[in-house]
Amino acid sequence: NTVMTQSPTSMFISVGDRVTMNCKASQNVGTNVDWYQQKTGQSPKLLIYGASNRYTGVPDRFTGSGSGTDFTLTISNMQAEDLAVYYCLQYNYNPWTFGGGTKLELK
Amino acid sequence: EVQLQESGPGLVKPSQSLSLTCSVTGYSITSNYWGWIRKFPGNKMEWMGYISYSGSTSYNPSLKSRISITRDTSKNQFFLQLNSVTTEDTATYYCARSEAAIPFAYWGQGTLVTVSS
Repeated sequence: NTVMTQSPTSMFISVGDRVTMNCKASQNVGTNVDWYQQKTGQSPKLLIYGASNRYTGVPDRFTGSGSGTDFTLTISNMQAEDLAVYYCLQYNYNPWTFGGGTKLELK
Repeated sequence: EVQLQESGPGLVKPSQSLSLTCSVTGYSITSNYWGWIRKFPGNKMEWMGYISYSGSTSYNPSLKSRISITRDTSKNQFFLQLNSVTTEDTATYYCARSEAAIPFAYWGQGTLVTVSS
């Protein structure tokens, strides 16, 4: 299986911070990586598809980048509403696999 | 607007089968792909499988001997059956819909299933 390793597992941040989180694939997955945001008590919400494409309605402070094995999600100008767990997903190989998540918490 | 809603028993006994329904409104399940994903306590997420617009299926090999995804197009619903459950199948189960090449563009709210005697 393709292992997706997310780092860090948690981050303590302040409103206005620039936040960068990473996802590393155990093999080349091209750009078949999506990023999801999950707030407490809610279902996951798609943020980025195809590694770098912002989904409809997603604020432009969210940016995805990367290809191959290394992927990054950046939140510029962090807002309180962005507190959540973020997951990457690869769908280049069966089984599709998720990273373990990065949790954003307030300092 | 497409909406997905999971339903089914919240408690299942070990060794029994888990059966869930995903009811879809606002979009026909004869288009796109329709999947099941689960989130375990502690945040781990697992893709379980999907059923396509034509009724073909694909499953996570780790579940292949226990899982079945079917559909009823007349009711615009699709279903998950997971056999021989153990306490390790305790999770929140989500159904989701693809969009173009995006596997999970739309998600249901999820339903918690606890496996316990």
